[in-house]
Amino acid sequence: NAGVTQTPKFQVLKTGQSMTLQCAQDMNHNSMYWYRQDPGMGLRLIYYSASEGTTDKGEVPNGYNVSRLNKREFSLRLESAAPSQTSVYFCASSRDRGNYGYTFGSGTRLTVV
Amino acid sequence: GEDVEQSLFLSVREGDSSVINCTYTDSSSTYLYWYKQEPGAGLQLLTYIFSNMDMKQDQRLTVLLNKKDKHLSLRIADTQTGDSAIYFCAESHGSSNTGKLIFGQGTTLQVKP
Repeated sequence: NAGVTQTPKFQVLKTGQSMTLQCAQDMNHNSMYWYRQDPGMGLRLIYYSASEGTTDKGEVPNGYNVSRLNKREFSLRLESAAPSQTSVYFCASSRDRGNYGYTFGSGTRLTVV
Repeated sequence: GEDVEQSLFLSVREGDSSVINCTYTDSSSTYLYWYKQEPGAGLQLLTYIFSNMDMKQDQRLTVLLNKKDKHLSLRIADTQTGDSAIYFCAESHGSSNTGKLIFGQGTTLQVKP
């Protein structure tokens, strides 16, 4: 019972490089979310997908793009990484538009140098 | 806009009760949540409460909700060293029904033996 799987777990990028963070869930959830976690700032929503085929901006979308590939997968892309994007990234999914809470992945620790 | 505030740190002795407090601003929130994050891990849903409830008890956990003051608390009875973690309060974005959750900054609970 995998739940929400994120890859990679750790990544170091040079400024200007691009990469895609992968997220997949096996719980048949409709909604998926990408958050970033920074010390003392809690979690901030980057993008979300309320249902398959839709994506919307969250609180801090600049510098990111997303793709809801199918119901299971929701990827986050950094086109040109900047040091300000050094963070821990969490993917989450929910059954019913967030009601009853989210299931989170274990996170991707990204360092941009 | 929506905002969720928590104190950043709480230290208790093993066996004591812990009370973690949270205030929120969105009066249309339908659900309020408590999540636990252990070092290096993702967030784990501990419990949630509907906005039309005042209290919810689940084993050692008691959630109290004061809608008038927009105040939520989590009480952990007989706190154990394994309860040491960061605790996040979150509210659902009730008016939009997109499933977005707004998180507080997190309260680090330190349990001393």
